[in-house]
Amino acid sequence: QSVLTQPPSVSAAPGQKVTISCSGSSSNIGSTYVSWYQQLPGTAPKLLIYDNNKRPSGIPDRFSGSKSGTSATLGITGLQTGDEADYYCGTWDSSLSAVFGGGTKLTVL
Amino acid sequence: QLQLQESGPGLVKPSETLSLTCTVSGGSISSSSYFWGWIRLPPRKGLEWIGNIYYGGSTYYNPSLESRVTMSVDTSKNQFSLKLSSVTAADTAVYYCARLVRGSSDFDYWGQGTLVTVSS
Repeated sequence: QSVLTQPPSVSAAPGQKVTISCSGSSSNIGSTYVSWYQQLPGTAPKLLIYDNNKRPSGIPDRFSGSKSGTSATLGITGLQTGDEADYYCGTWDSSLSAVFGGGTKLTVL
Repeated sequence: QLQLQESGPGLVKPSETLSLTCTVSGGSISSSSYFWGWIRLPPRKGLEWIGNIYYGGSTYYNPSLESRVTMSVDTSKNQFSLKLSSVTAADTAVYYCARLVRGSSDFDYWGQGTLVTVSS
């Protein structure tokens, strides 16, 4: 059972927009920044969003992040088949532990 | 370009100790700006943080694994290591080493991962 809660799966058609939610508590998301990771099939996770809404160099602006209270959201616009992956949210907990969500599998129909 | 590479046995027997090493290339493990961490991905589950280590040797472990985890660093070889004792089938997972930006929860570079299976 992961500390952060994500939907197991989401799907949308190419070119459409999708959002992935990440729910936590006041001891984690509510008190610090959230990161998002993309794990393409057979590869290692890659940092997609940091500090709630910032993109590392090389990440297209089709990917966006936001946070409100104890929840965070990853948005992806202009969906491409290459976006099919598992997406994880992550943050820091007051117990000084890094915590992650259970992951969301994105299917581009 | 920074690269991390995990190495170690892919099969460990129950009750024994899992040992993995992460070799860092393209950058120094002795940077004051980063921690170095281990994260695992069990089958059909989400990512689980195992722990972090600083180049000076300070360690931070997941409370749920703390009694079985030991991490160490060898700055002369630009490597850090993980030992997980008394393993069971529940420890079967892909193990990743990663770099953590100090003061954040951002793991910005990851190794390719190595599958460790616990089985007799």
